[in-house]
Amino acid sequence: QVQLVQSGSELKKPGASVKVSCKASGYTFTSYAMNWVRQAPGQGLEWMGWINTNTGKPTYAQGFTGRFVFSLDTSVSTAYLQISSLKAEDTAVYFCARRGSTSMDVWGEGTTVTVSS
Amino acid sequence: DIQMTQFPSTLSASVGDRVTITCRASQSISSWLAWYQQKPGKAPKLLIYKASGLESGVPSRFSGSGSGTEFTLTISSLQPDDFASYYCQQYNTYPYTFGQGTKLEIK
Repeated sequence: QVQLVQSGSELKKPGASVKVSCKASGYTFTSYAMNWVRQAPGQGLEWMGWINTNTGKPTYAQGFTGRFVFSLDTSVSTAYLQISSLKAEDTAVYFCARRGSTSMDVWGEGTTVTVSS
Repeated sequence: DIQMTQFPSTLSASVGDRVTITCRASQSISSWLAWYQQKPGKAPKLLIYKASGLESGVPSRFSGSGSGTEFTLTISSLQPDDFASYYCQQYNTYPYTFGQGTKLEIK
């Protein structure tokens, strides 16, 4: 079945980096764009941007430029989110979500990133 | 950026009730609006796309309407499984933006 499986929870110190993975299965990876969505503790959903899985071109929402990088490894049908110079305010659950013909129709289970000294 | 204003932020209702959640866009988004349901600790689930399209597998008690700047999500007869948070999202223009969410609670 179509699914996105994300990597496990991460506990990082301020200033460190983290790389979250999102492995797709059950469909042709390069046929659908991949979005990233952040949810801070107790807060709503925030769209971070998307990556074109054909060309690898990322598009970032304002507020997610500079320290945030979307990338791909199409050989293993996996999208990545890397965050560098982590801050306490990066503590959140990060979701990947496929952009299908309807909207964001398939979501990963989420990866909790906790930034704490 | 297009601002999405969703209300109410909290809604208390009983099983069997009909409830409506409203989402207003700061400018026209045509019909490029989706509704998601999210339960605690889980990923969002797509319910409605393009304002009124029912995603496959979603019960028919969920319906969406509207176009331009004003949209509604209606649940015709609340079931116990429906108590969750709901978010609208516009996907007409980058950056895609979400409403602040509506928490649907049991009365």
